Amino acid sequence: QVQLVESGGGVVQPGRSLRLSCAASGFTFTSHGMHWVRQAPGKGLEWVAVIWYDGSNKYYADSVKGRFTISRDNYNNMLYLQMNSLRPEDTAVYYCARWGDEKIFDVWGRGTLVTVSS
Amino acid sequence: QSALTQPASVSGSPGQSITISCSGTSSDVGGYKYVSWYQQYPGKAPKLIIYVVSNRPSGVPDRFSGSKSGNTASLTITGLKAEDEADYFCSSYTSTNTWVFGGGTKVTVL
Repeated sequence: QVQLVESGGGVVQPGRSLRLSCAASGFTFTSHGMHWVRQAPGKGLEWVAVIWYDGSNKYYADSVKGRFTISRDNYNNMLYLQMNSLRPEDTAVYYCARWGDEKIFDVWGRGTLVTVSS
Repeated sequence: QSALTQPASVSGSPGQSITISCSGTSSDVGGYKYVSWYQQYPGKAPKLIIYVVSNRPSGVPDRFSGSKSGNTASLTITGLKAEDEADYFCSSYTSTNTWVFGGGTKVTVL
């Protein structure tokens, strides 16, 4: 079945880096753009970044621009989020989501928790 | 990239109808048909329930409906059920090739 599984979350000190991964299965990964969306504890959803199906275009939320980098490996059906210069306000559950037709988030992973704290 | 504006909470009794608003700008909600709605239960991932303003994915009950007027989109739940108690988020594509979510609305079934 169609599935997204995130990994790589954990506790990290402010200013440090972390890389999240998302393993995709059950669909043609190369046919879909992919997103990262995060949710701080008890808060709403915040869109983080998107990458085109072929990696040709990437866009970021202003809150992470210049610090986070989205990338993908289409041979291994993997999506990544490299997070540098982490701040306490980056603490959140990070979801990867598939870009479906009509610009929707049609498949979601279960999320991975990132905690930025000293 | 300001978040879309939703009421923090909406409540209703079983069988009643409720409407959740989602206000944006001409650069997002008002400028595109790409408005979608997501339902989220505590500790779970969001689930798509409305796309392109008013379309329902297969499996979503027809009690859920969406609409848009100008810069404001709306989600209506008719015949409210206990299982509809959840958080609801709107989302829109924007003029800068980014996406934006609303702050979320907690629906309580009294």
